Amino acid sequence: QSVLTQPPSASGTPGQRVTVSCSGSSSNIGSNFVYWYQQLPGTAPKVLIYRNDQRPSGVPDRFSGSKSGTSASLAISGLRSEDEADYYCAAWDDSLDGRVFGGGTRLTVL
Amino acid sequence: EVQLVESGGGLVQPGGSLRLSCAASGFKFGSFWMSWVRQAPGKGLEWVANIKQDGSLEYYVDSVKGRFTISRDNAKNSLHLQMNSLRVEDTARYYCARDSYTGYGSLEYWGQGTLVTVSS
Repeated sequence: QSVLTQPPSASGTPGQRVTVSCSGSSSNIGSNFVYWYQQLPGTAPKVLIYRNDQRPSGVPDRFSGSKSGTSASLAISGLRSEDEADYYCAAWDDSLDGRVFGGGTRLTVL
Repeated sequence: EVQLVESGGGLVQPGGSLRLSCAASGFKFGSFWMSWVRQAPGKGLEWVANIKQDGSLEYYVDSVKGRFTISRDNAKNSLHLQMNSLRVEDTARYYCARDSYTGYGSLEYWGQGTLVTVSS
């Protein structure tokens, strides 16, 4: 059972907008930044969003992040087949004194 | 170009030990916290441990406390993970990742991982 809760799966058709939720608590999301990672099949994870809503250079603006209270969301607009991947949220947890990940959401592009 | 190359994985019996290494290049190694993250076969990501720039502070996930030790050698740009009393549930691909300046932030660069299998 992960400290951060994500839906195990999500799906959409090309061009659609999909969102992935991440629910935590006051000791992690509620008091620290949220990060999102994308893991394409057979590859290492890559940071997609940092500090709640910032995109590293090279990440398309189709990807956006937001945070409210103890929850966060990743939105992907203009869905493309190459977006098919596993997505993980992460945050530091002040009570555990460690970094925690969500269980991951597998995105399928139909 | 930032590169992180892990080594040291393999097959080990329950109760055994293994030492993982990560060779870093392309950035000022001593300026960043460093982390280990693992992924069991078909499962999600689990952060394992991180270590401060000068090695003076370390954090661990509860499940490895007392069994794993993270360390670094800034002169050799290398990160290590000493794993003792290994359990079947430690079986995973172990990734080395460049952490942030603070230790709480982004895992911006990752290696390709090294596979550890704990089995009799």
